[in-house]
Amino acid sequence: GAGVSQSPRYKVAKRGQDVALRCDPISGHVSLFWYQQALGQGPEFLTYFQNEAQLDKSGLPSDRFFAERPEGSVSTLKIQRTQQEDSAVYLCASSLVDGLLQPQHFGDGTRLSIL
Amino acid sequence: GENVEQHPSTLSVQEGDSAVIKCTYSDSASNYFPWYKQELGKGPQLIIDIRSNVGEKKDQRIAVTLNKTAKHFSLHITETQPEDSAVYFCAATSEAGAQKLVFGQGTRLTINP
Repeated sequence: GAGVSQSPRYKVAKRGQDVALRCDPISGHVSLFWYQQALGQGPEFLTYFQNEAQLDKSGLPSDRFFAERPEGSVSTLKIQRTQQEDSAVYLCASSLVDGLLQPQHFGDGTRLSIL
Repeated sequence: GENVEQHPSTLSVQEGDSAVIKCTYSDSASNYFPWYKQELGKGPQLIIDIRSNVGEKKDQRIAVTLNKTAKHFSLHITETQPEDSAVYFCAATSEAGAQKLVFGQGTRLTINP
């Protein structure tokens, strides 16, 4: 596809369940970012990959959050033992080349609701 | 770390008028400033960006200005149209910051016909 693709678009889970969110970046993009967007707020950085290497995970709120990009393409954000405060839109972005301040292109996000 | 402040939080203008949204940043090392438009249920869409070696950039009805000394940058939309209605976010980053974008709080722009 031409853009960043995220699935599922909507996810409802009960508190305590584990969830997995998928991101397919634009083909050939080296850098991949995850952001969390609370209702009415701007996106907030979670973690960053350069190819398969996770270079920055300083934004992950707790050790319940885990992200991977094993083959340097598709990425998965996993949240274990979900809490109500995890409810948000999770956005994935990719950029073409690392280190040259390339534009980040966003997917439409996964809206996560924890009941 | 970087902190980005955005004003106003809401803006309503008549169709055909101009709209201006302003942002300030705190980290003097920031050198890349994109603007995103977000429609309901969609992800942020890049509409224009500027690097710190440039003071102004224009793309049809959209322009961005940057004042590095004052650490602020602005988005200007001229001849506004109803389809310009959306939430707009400014952001800042630097290579030293691993390119992670720090976003402002957003401006909800409404264009009245």
